[in-house]
Amino acid sequence: DADVTQTPRNRITKTGKRIMLECSQTKGHDRMYWYRQDPGLGLRLIYYSFDVKDINKGEISDGYSVSRQAQAKFSLSLESAIPNQTALYFCATSDLLGEPNTGELFFGEGSRLTVL
Amino acid sequence: LAKTTQPISMDSYEGQEVNITCSHNNIATNDYITWYQQFPSQGPRFIIQGYKTKVTNEVASLFIPADRKSSTLSLPRVSLSDTAVYYCLVGDGGGFKTIFGAGTRLFVKA
Repeated sequence: DADVTQTPRNRITKTGKRIMLECSQTKGHDRMYWYRQDPGLGLRLIYYSFDVKDINKGEISDGYSVSRQAQAKFSLSLESAIPNQTALYFCATSDLLGEPNTGELFFGEGSRLTVL
Repeated sequence: LAKTTQPISMDSYEGQEVNITCSHNNIATNDYITWYQQFPSQGPRFIIQGYKTKVTNEVASLFIPADRKSSTLSLPRVSLSDTAVYYCLVGDGGGFKTIFGAGTRLFVKA
């Protein structure tokens, strides 16, 4: 079983619909992230969370919201989806391991969202 | 946050050594250099990380000169399965400070 699991893996929806992408992890990490990737581009950070009570906006948070339901669960919501939110979404986790600090990111397999 | 510059794409043949260089002129004292690999429709995967000089693991080597303004990822004897996008990142740890650029698309040919 994957350490970082995303559901759904693929979703097609219509403009204006509310969509939730879910992420769960078994790595025991405190830090979780949501990234977006558009074709031919790198990943851009949407939101990140250091623990259950901590939520922070990333580079491109407009139009998105998140919920950290537990240490292991971090959900991304699109309240009213629009076509330019069509992208591949990745959830990731990391932990600070002290010195040397790798901050290695562990990614899920991605959720492909298409907004018509 | 330090910005990185790396080639958009590279081609190679099976069995060759591939070196991908990344420039990071504004690297800070506390920053580490990290490389990730991404296959199509998969999340990036950590390859290697270093602070200075040379780091080697079972997958790759990372060469960092004394001024740390650049770094080179070296993949020995690549195979077709090494065809992927390789990202160079600079930061002091934690995904919240990790900026993924467009990466380098490596295409390995038979």
